[in-house]
Amino acid sequence: RKEVEQDPGPFNVPEGATVAFNCTYSNSASQSFFWYRQDCRKEPKLLMSVYSSGNEDGRFTAQLNRASQYISLLIRDSKLSDSATYLCVVSGGSQGNLIFGKGTKLSVKP
Amino acid sequence: GAGVSQSPSNKVTEKGKDVELRCDPISGHTALYWYRQSLGQGLEFLIYFQGNSAPDKSGLPSDRFSAERTGGSVSTLTIQRTQQEDSAVYLCASSYTSGRASNIQYFGAGTRLSVL
Repeated sequence: RKEVEQDPGPFNVPEGATVAFNCTYSNSASQSFFWYRQDCRKEPKLLMSVYSSGNEDGRFTAQLNRASQYISLLIRDSKLSDSATYLCVVSGGSQGNLIFGKGTKLSVKP
Repeated sequence: GAGVSQSPSNKVTEKGKDVELRCDPISGHTALYWYRQSLGQGLEFLIYFQGNSAPDKSGLPSDRFSAERTGGSVSTLTIQRTQQEDSAVYLCASSYTSGRASNIQYFGAGTRLSVL
């Protein structure tokens, strides 16, 4: 099993749609969880941290299920500017203390 | 404040030449990371520096790759005898390793390396 697994997509959705991304991780000892966003030909940038109680930032909601080792990101009322690749990131790996998933590509169409 | 700075932003070199890529982390960040990203692919971990500890070199793909971090700040990634498969974007990130913001990695804009 890969350390962090994501559906690569692409997810093609119309503006205004709600879209959900899922991620599973293999290390049950992981303590920190994040979603990063990477625009085409740009560096990854932190979108939000993910807390056990779940957290919301505007149109974005992140959930963590430790028992199932599962993380989700929900985007409501999608905007054209949300088009990007979303990276699931988990701590506790042997390499550099964060393990990045390969990302899920989102394309929001008018 | 200033973010992670990488130079050069673009580098074109001939097969067999050596290249040096530079990363200047955010001031106060004790951890520094190098990644490689080929076109359309995910991040590939290369090496991790944490304070004065020995670096985690487990991601370096071959002995042609090496990195240094002098004085706990600036880092240089060196690729010797470059090959065409080394062509990629090389990303550097830095982070705190304690406190509320620990583990959050901030990335530089990367160096786009093209080996002809």
